[in-house]
Amino acid sequence: GAGVSQSPSNKVTEKGKDVELRCDPISGHTALYWYRQSLGQGLEFLIYFQGNSAPDKSGLPSDRFSAERTGGSVSTLTIQRTQQEDSAVYLCASSLSGHGNEQFFGPGTRLTVL
Amino acid sequence: DAKTTQPTSMDCAEGRAANLPCNHSTISGNEYVYWYRQIHSQGPQYIIHGLKNNETNEMASLIITEDRKSSTLILPHATLRDTAVYYCIVRVPVQGAQKLVFGQGTRLTINP
Repeated sequence: GAGVSQSPSNKVTEKGKDVELRCDPISGHTALYWYRQSLGQGLEFLIYFQGNSAPDKSGLPSDRFSAERTGGSVSTLTIQRTQQEDSAVYLCASSLSGHGNEQFFGPGTRLTVL
Repeated sequence: DAKTTQPTSMDCAEGRAANLPCNHSTISGNEYVYWYRQIHSQGPQYIIHGLKNNETNEMASLIITEDRKSSTLILPHATLRDTAVYYCIVRVPVQGAQKLVFGQGTRLTINP
């Protein structure tokens, strides 16, 4: 079956503009995660969803970042008034809800803020 | 989650076994050891996980010491496609969603 998909694969935007990043998880996966990876850095957790609710938003770097998930499926990560330090690869993952289930990652969206 | 320590980089010859160590001396009794890898320009990929017994799957073997303070991921016959950053993560698996906390990992280079 299809894996996790993300769109767009690349996004170039100007400083101050808003961007929306989309994630389509694997069908049937109830848990969905957003991470980001700045150039040459490790992965940084942003937020996760269990169904449509987000119990842990602790990783969101500022109030310019928000995310939602509808219908227990697609999720959108929105960054308002983008800054150059927001440039990174944004990775989405999904998993079955359960004991120790592995997370399946998408290919990521490379965001460049000029 | 317990902290892990991995070498920054390693090299291995193609066709040989690649042995990647991970120290997790503060691991608690209910924490599992997970391994993921990230090939260049791709998202991370799950490899294997275990609690205290050695584990093997189609990708790798995981050897956990008896005191559980360290483990080794073994790629038995490394290929060029195994060149990647390998992450060792220790956590308590729970019902429901759970974030992964990634360290810097080990950059493994397989040489022809």
